Amino acid sequence: QKEVEQDPGPLSVPEGAIVSLNCTYSNSAFQYFMWYRQYSRKGPELLMYTYSSGNKEDGRFTAQVDKSSKYISLFIRDSQPSDSATYLCAMSGTGGFKTIFGAGTRLFVKA
Amino acid sequence: SQTIHQWPATLVQPVGSPLSLECTVEGTSNPNLYWYRQAAGRGLQLLFYSVGIGQISSEVPQNLSASRPQDRQFILSSKKLLLSDSGFYLCAWSVHGSGETQYFGPGTRLLVL
Repeated sequence: QKEVEQDPGPLSVPEGAIVSLNCTYSNSAFQYFMWYRQYSRKGPELLMYTYSSGNKEDGRFTAQVDKSSKYISLFIRDSQPSDSATYLCAMSGTGGFKTIFGAGTRLFVKA
Repeated sequence: SQTIHQWPATLVQPVGSPLSLECTVEGTSNPNLYWYRQAAGRGLQLLFYSVGIGQISSEVPQNLSASRPQDRQFILSSKKLLLSDSGFYLCAWSVHGSGETQYFGPGTRLLVL
């Protein structure tokens, strides 16, 4: 079993839709949860960062962590064509140097 | 603010040739530094990380090596490239002592022919 599972997609939605991206994980020691956005041929860009359980909102983006289910989500409201990218979840434990990344979900938002 | 640079952006090399990729970070001191490889349609594979000058930890046995000659400089090298070394190489940094949040450079696309 992989430490982090993420559906690779692709996920195609119309402009304005609410997008839900998800990851599951197996290591209960993970405390830090991140979402990165990666445009084609570019480096990943940190989008959201959450510590432990709960929700965090930033503009159109909401990150949600459910540690009891070992499940994290990223919601994008009012999706735009510029949101078309690959979204990678990532997580790590306290004081550790290693971050485990999901394989990424490719998202297409059609105008 | 912090900035991370990588060069070259693209590289085409023949099998058996040497490799040197460079990464530098500005605006921070004593960062943790990382090298990742990303194969097409796959996740990020951690190759090396460094917590200080001259301190390198290798995650995957391979024909690649890394060095950190200066605090904010991280170099990925190979003496003889293999076809399987083709990929997208990413350098990243995090605050010293904290690996939770990493910030990535623009990447180098390497094609070995």
